[in-house]
Amino acid sequence: GQQVMQIPQYQHVQEGEDFTTYCNSSTTLSNIQWYKQRPGGHPVFLIQLVKSGEVKKQKRLTFQFGEAKKNSSLHITATQTTDVGTYFCAAYSGAGSYQLTFGKGTKLSVIP
Amino acid sequence: KAGVTQTPRYLIKTRGQQVTLSCSPISGHRSVSWYQQTPGQGLQFLFEYFSETQRNKGNFPGRFSGRQFSNSRSEMNVSTLELGDSALYLCASSEGQGGSPLHFGNGTRLTVT
Repeated sequence: GQQVMQIPQYQHVQEGEDFTTYCNSSTTLSNIQWYKQRPGGHPVFLIQLVKSGEVKKQKRLTFQFGEAKKNSSLHITATQTTDVGTYFCAAYSGAGSYQLTFGKGTKLSVIP
Repeated sequence: KAGVTQTPRYLIKTRGQQVTLSCSPISGHRSVSWYQQTPGQGLQFLFEYFSETQRNKGNFPGRFSGRQFSNSRSEMNVSTLELGDSALYLCASSEGQGGSPLHFGNGTRLTVT
């Protein structure tokens, strides 16, 4: 099935620093989704990217979909303690699939 | 709209027992997916149901089964529990079209002793 590799596994940043997590696939993706899971919580949908080269912003968060639709990134500008959590990318396993496969996630810690 | 509701929140079982977890999706959502989350393996897909039909199944042994009812509520069952089944089990609902985002419940924390 579809595999999405996510790096880094962990990231510790000082509050105010930027943060980026990367998601890569060996195959072309029809779309990619990003989720955030706070400590002790459940994954919450953030955004979906569909078009090649697409860039979407949500306040301090910038999401990109690669030109070849094989990679994606999430960048957070000037992290805050509220950004703490694990960020997952996810993709459906091929055409006609209803199986959403998640990357292993990047756990973000923000040092105040 | 009310969110996805999972019951119970916590369960403690012993090896060899079986367990049934319940999930009520967001009203109007016809698709329900189940995931197992562990620190080592992350979020692993168990199965997905739409209109009472299983459309996709992950790589889990046959001890893991599920079903969906006509009102879209879903249950998953794990028989002959093993220590390694200890995990957070998450249910998620969606509209069911390809590419639909998932809306997760709070999960059921299962501990097998």
